[in-house]
Amino acid sequence: KAGVTQTPRYLIKTRGQQVTLSCSPISGHRSVSWYQQTPGQGLQFLFEYFSETQRNKGNFPGRFSGRQFSNSRSEMNVSTLELGDSALYLCASRATSGTNYGYTFGSGTRLTVV
Amino acid sequence: AQSVTQPDIHITVSEGASLELRCNYSYGATPYLFWYVQSPGQGLQLLLKYFSGDTLVQGIKGFEAEFKRSQSSFNLRKPSVHWSDAAEYFCAVGPGNSGNTPLVFGKGTRLSVIA
Repeated sequence: KAGVTQTPRYLIKTRGQQVTLSCSPISGHRSVSWYQQTPGQGLQFLFEYFSETQRNKGNFPGRFSGRQFSNSRSEMNVSTLELGDSALYLCASRATSGTNYGYTFGSGTRLTVV
Repeated sequence: AQSVTQPDIHITVSEGASLELRCNYSYGATPYLFWYVQSPGQGLQLLLKYFSGDTLVQGIKGFEAEFKRSQSSFNLRKPSVHWSDAAEYFCAVGPGNSGNTPLVFGKGTRLSVIA
């Protein structure tokens, strides 16, 4: 079956702009999590959505937001971009029932803020 | 709060040598434990996972890991390393399917393989 799809793969934005990243989970998975990965901070949890509701949120400013649609696809938005937002953004989908537990990650979106 | 510690930032091994990557965790409930591998510029690929049962779990690419509750450890091993194993390895602890706490990662261990 198809894996987790993240688009776009690469983005270059200017400080002050906003950006929207997209994640399509594995078919049947209703949970989508977002992570920011940087060399200094490692993998940091942004938020998790389940059935269109935000279930958990990490310690990030309000400039970072997300949503999930009825088909489980998720988007995250970063407004007023800062240089420090340059990172690899990873999305993971998770089965929430059955024995096939675990998180499957997409290939990520590499965001560069200049 | 849950946390994961990977004490080794960088490890270099010779091709064909054995490998052990260390992972210690702190988790309030029964942990679900994972090892992921990441090649440069790529996402995370699941190597193996543990929830219950046999404490020695087998994964893909010839990797295995042993859960030791008394030591709060979940170390990753491979008997003979190949050059293609050079990558970054992440240990993670999280909830099962029905849990609602996030997956927490260690800082990662970068593996270099020399001829």
